[in-house]
Amino acid sequence: GNSVTQMEGPVTLSEEAFLTINCTYTATGYPSLFWYVQYPGEGLQLLLKATKADDKGSNKGFEATYRKETTSFHLEKGSVQVSDSAVYFCALLYGGATNKLIFGTGTLLAVQP
Amino acid sequence: DTGVSQNPRHKITKRGQNVTFRCDPISEHNRLYWYRQTLGQGPEFLTYFQNEAQLEKSRLLSDRFSAERPKGSFSTLEIQRTEQGDSAMYLCASSPGRTYGTDTQYFGPGTRLTVL
Repeated sequence: GNSVTQMEGPVTLSEEAFLTINCTYTATGYPSLFWYVQYPGEGLQLLLKATKADDKGSNKGFEATYRKETTSFHLEKGSVQVSDSAVYFCALLYGGATNKLIFGTGTLLAVQP
Repeated sequence: DTGVSQNPRHKITKRGQNVTFRCDPISEHNRLYWYRQTLGQGPEFLTYFQNEAQLEKSRLLSDRFSAERPKGSFSTLEIQRTEQGDSAMYLCASSPGRTYGTDTQYFGPGTRLTVL
């Protein structure tokens, strides 16, 4: 079946450090891939997306590239800020009539000043 | 664009009681989704609507759960005879519904249910 695997957290970094959060997926066909972010006490916010192989999604300094050969969609940011502290979810949307998002378990990022 | 709104934000109830949550999607969005999120986990799909038609239901949605979207606008999720295992965050999302496979879902703030 379709699934998403994320690196376990928490990930603790100092401000201005480089961030990578790994995400790999299993799916038949060609899903769209998403990163959502959840700040404490809030719902999910779309961070970025990619809909086909080799697409790069980017937003607010975060980037992720859809790698079909490695079935990966790793999230990166060159210089994290304290305000980036949140839980990050990788998700896939399978094509066809099924419109549900399948999420990973989330990765907690804590950025220290 | 005011975003997806959900009410109430928090609900505390006693086991065995019925609860109802409301979701107002982004205007003009045809698709509406319900997810459930438990502590430390990613959201899990419950059901989705295309306009007023409920097109898919997860096996997670037992017969105590019912969802409606009567006029293709807002939606309600009702849980009858609540159990402690129903305690979770219930998230609603909507999407424009113009495509399959690339349609972006936008989430509301969620309703946190606590069953005592």
